[in-house]
Amino acid sequence: DTGVSQNPRHKITKRGQNVTFRCDPISEHNRLYWYRQTLGQGPEFLTYFQNEAQLEKSRLLSDRFSAERPKGSFSTLEIQRTEQGDSAMYLCASSFSDRYEKLFFGSGTQLSVL
Amino acid sequence: KQEVTQIPAALSVPEGENLVLNCSFTDSAIYNLQWFRQDPGKGLTSLLLIQSSQREQTSGRLNASLDKSSGRSTLYIAASQPGDSATYLCAVGSSNTGKLIFGQGTTLQVKP
Repeated sequence: DTGVSQNPRHKITKRGQNVTFRCDPISEHNRLYWYRQTLGQGPEFLTYFQNEAQLEKSRLLSDRFSAERPKGSFSTLEIQRTEQGDSAMYLCASSFSDRYEKLFFGSGTQLSVL
Repeated sequence: KQEVTQIPAALSVPEGENLVLNCSFTDSAIYNLQWFRQDPGKGLTSLLLIQSSQREQTSGRLNASLDKSSGRSTLYIAASQPGDSATYLCAVGSSNTGKLIFGQGTTLQVKP
């Protein structure tokens, strides 16, 4: 399977704990995106990378959130000191930076903060 | 600030019906518009992508149209099937990146 892979699929944590999610994009894609989706809503953009450079961050991405993409391959999204409001589906997507910019999404990581 | 609205929020139709899902956006200065499908608890699957210079795109039983001047797009599904049951999301891009503004989605149920 050469699609976008996200791990873990589900994460349950207690308030105040740190969590880290991983995304493996489609291998030839140079752009990688993180989105967050809450129940009944559309996804909201968090951040994106072109190769290893983080080019844009949403205001939604507070200082408790950090994302990395070392060597322009996989990416990690870390949330420190989790809060109940962080409970959501975290989606990763990748694309090749051509004029079409078609996104391919992973299945997401469902985070529940108790 | 771009806002994307999808109406209706939910739709239930009998199998075989043709149907139209609506999407509206407030800023006509868009780069592209995409329609996605999302099954419960899953990620998104891209259905159709319309560049700002295009008026419509077709794939199988799906046809998406774009009218930038009125800030509207429609997704037409012909001869609906129970397997089409899912949430359909419209998303607008304002630049040549994958930074998209999504609507809230329309949840479609096709009854056998």
